[in-house]
Amino acid sequence: EVQLVESGGGLIQPGGSLRLSCAASGFTVSSNYMSWVRQAPGKGLEWVSVIYNSGATYYADSAKGRFTISRDNSKNTLYLQMNSLRAEDTAVYYCARDHYDDYGLPNWFDPWGQGTLVTVSS
Amino acid sequence: DIQMTQSPSSLSASVRDRVTITCRASQNINNYLSWYQQKPGKAPKLLIYAASSLQSGVPSRFSGSGSGTDFTLTISSLQPEDFATYYCQQSYSTPRRTFGGGTKVEIK
Repeated sequence: EVQLVESGGGLIQPGGSLRLSCAASGFTVSSNYMSWVRQAPGKGLEWVSVIYNSGATYYADSAKGRFTISRDNSKNTLYLQMNSLRAEDTAVYYCARDHYDDYGLPNWFDPWGQGTLVTVSS
Repeated sequence: DIQMTQSPSSLSASVRDRVTITCRASQNINNYLSWYQQKPGKAPKLLIYAASSLQSGVPSRFSGSGSGTDFTLTISSLQPEDFATYYCQQSYSTPRRTFGGGTKVEIK
């Protein structure tokens, strides 16, 4: 069964750092495209970052320069290192497998993990 | 950035009603459009991809249509388990993708 399990969320002060993890089972993270998507409390969905199977990475403008997506192939785990956190980064963070097309471009997300809540507050 | 606008933002419907949700893109996105269902406290679930392709395991009462800038998600006969929030998502500007604001389907 394909499954994603996030961890690492919590309460952090503004300016702090946090690393989220996403453990995958039933498929190989390094052979797939993987994304992080977040959802602020009571709000909609926002794509944050993607890592291709080649290792190429891309970020939303809101994450660029502060967040880093990576993976550990030996642990079949995806990460999101978040630095210089702001109140507006407060959200549930989901990891998701990213389906890519014949041109190698990521399209839709399936499946998703259950999410981990990050709260940035003093 | 490509903006995705969903309408309505919420609706009330009864079991067995036919429900239609609209998603409009700020520019032509061909058929690079997906639909997700999200229940409270749960992760989104993929329903439709490439505007009209039904994801495996999703009931056939869900269908998607459209191309260019205007898209619809239709639930042909609303079931109790369908009360949820629905989001559209464009992948024309991949890898930087955007979602619509969501449509909450509530019980009348």
